[in-house]
Amino acid sequence: DTAVSQTPKYLVTQMGNDKSIKCEQNLGHDTMYWYKQDSKKFLKIMFSYNNKELIINETVPNRFSPKSPDKAHLNLHINSLELGDSAVYFCASSQVGAGWYNEQFFGPGTRLTVL
Amino acid sequence: GNSVTQMEGPVTLSEEAFLTINCTYTATGYPSLFWYVQYPGEGLQLLLKATKADDKGSNKGFEATYRKETTSFHLEKGSVQVSDSAVYFCALSDRSGYSTLTFGKGTMLLVSP
Repeated sequence: DTAVSQTPKYLVTQMGNDKSIKCEQNLGHDTMYWYKQDSKKFLKIMFSYNNKELIINETVPNRFSPKSPDKAHLNLHINSLELGDSAVYFCASSQVGAGWYNEQFFGPGTRLTVL
Repeated sequence: GNSVTQMEGPVTLSEEAFLTINCTYTATGYPSLFWYVQYPGEGLQLLLKATKADDKGSNKGFEATYRKETTSFHLEKGSVQVSDSAVYFCALSDRSGYSTLTFGKGTMLLVSP
């Protein structure tokens, strides 16, 4: 049983295009996240949603727009893709307040390559 | 703000060698501490965690002890295997309601037979 799933796993596209990445979790968690991992493996939080509401929005260009249709889904839409957007994007989920641990469960990642 | 500092990699070891990956942190209050592992081509998996001072997290032969006095959470394993080759991330979460994880930059471990 997949806990946190993402689609697609690989995404290759041209500069200027618009693309979406989907994420779903079946853990019953109330909080979901998007992280970006650059070519040096550095992980940076982009967004966090709690019960479909945006609670964390780090310094991310407006071209990135997350959408959470329900607690189990958090999608990431990217407009006007740029070369610098090439990275691996990870979705994660957790149950906030569960013993203060904030243990997060990660999806397998989506490798985005912008040509 | 919160920050996590890990030793630079790659760390290259022979099978059955002893492993230490250093991790120190800066945070307000009393954060929870984690080690995540990323195997090649995969997402991150939680390896172990500790939620208060002097707690020892352990899993799959790996251990780390939450040292408040030195603000450290070093990862150790007594005898590494080739299958342990991966990138290891130290992370912390503070105790605010919607805190995210703050990650270190990751340390690549390469174990040769």
